[in-house]
Amino acid sequence: DVKVTQSSRYLVKRTGEKVFLECVQDMDHENMFWYRQDPGLGLRLIYFSYDVKMKEKGDIPEGYSVSREKKERFSLILESASTNQTSMYLCASSVSGHRGTEAFFGQGTRLTVV
Amino acid sequence: GENVEQHPSTLSVQEGDSAVIKCTYSDSASNYFPWYKQELGKRPQLIIDIRSNVGEKKDQRIAVTLNKTAKHFSLHITETQPEDSAVYFCAASNTDSWGKLQFGAGTQVVVTP
Repeated sequence: DVKVTQSSRYLVKRTGEKVFLECVQDMDHENMFWYRQDPGLGLRLIYFSYDVKMKEKGDIPEGYSVSREKKERFSLILESASTNQTSMYLCASSVSGHRGTEAFFGQGTRLTVV
Repeated sequence: GENVEQHPSTLSVQEGDSAVIKCTYSDSASNYFPWYKQELGKRPQLIIDIRSNVGEKKDQRIAVTLNKTAKHFSLHITETQPEDSAVYFCAASNTDSWGKLQFGAGTQVVVTP
């Protein structure tokens, strides 16, 4: 049973703080993703990684960075948190495949920036 | 890049009736189309998917149809039950995208007894 675990369910941070969101998967998946979920906007891709130390920008990378030092762990970093980054953040992982494969999601981190 | 549009944004149905959610995509290279269900407070989970070499796929009460020419795909839920109440997301990806999914905005389905 695939497990994707995010380090926090709820976070409250102050404007300007550096914020780390952590995600760990236990199924040896090559691909890992960070999405942001906002009402009426669906899930928007922030960054993804298809291998250790490899990263690619998604649709809304501004204000974020990522780190993937180990295959099982993918971190999202908010360099200087702002109120417009208040959102639900979802991590996902999938096995590498040329024909498209199922993404498994973490439980989400509800981040509030005050 | 790929753009996925999803309609309607909300859908209210009587228990036992059918529900249909429609999505269109822009990138003709997209070849994988999953549907995710997200119950309140829970993570999105895959309920059904279809690949571009198939026109229709069915799994019990849910089915997905794909029209590659028109670049649209639909989710059909028959005999709806209260536990079908959730937000449903369609998505699209292509071979060269490392599994990157482009999601629609979501449809809130409410099944009333």
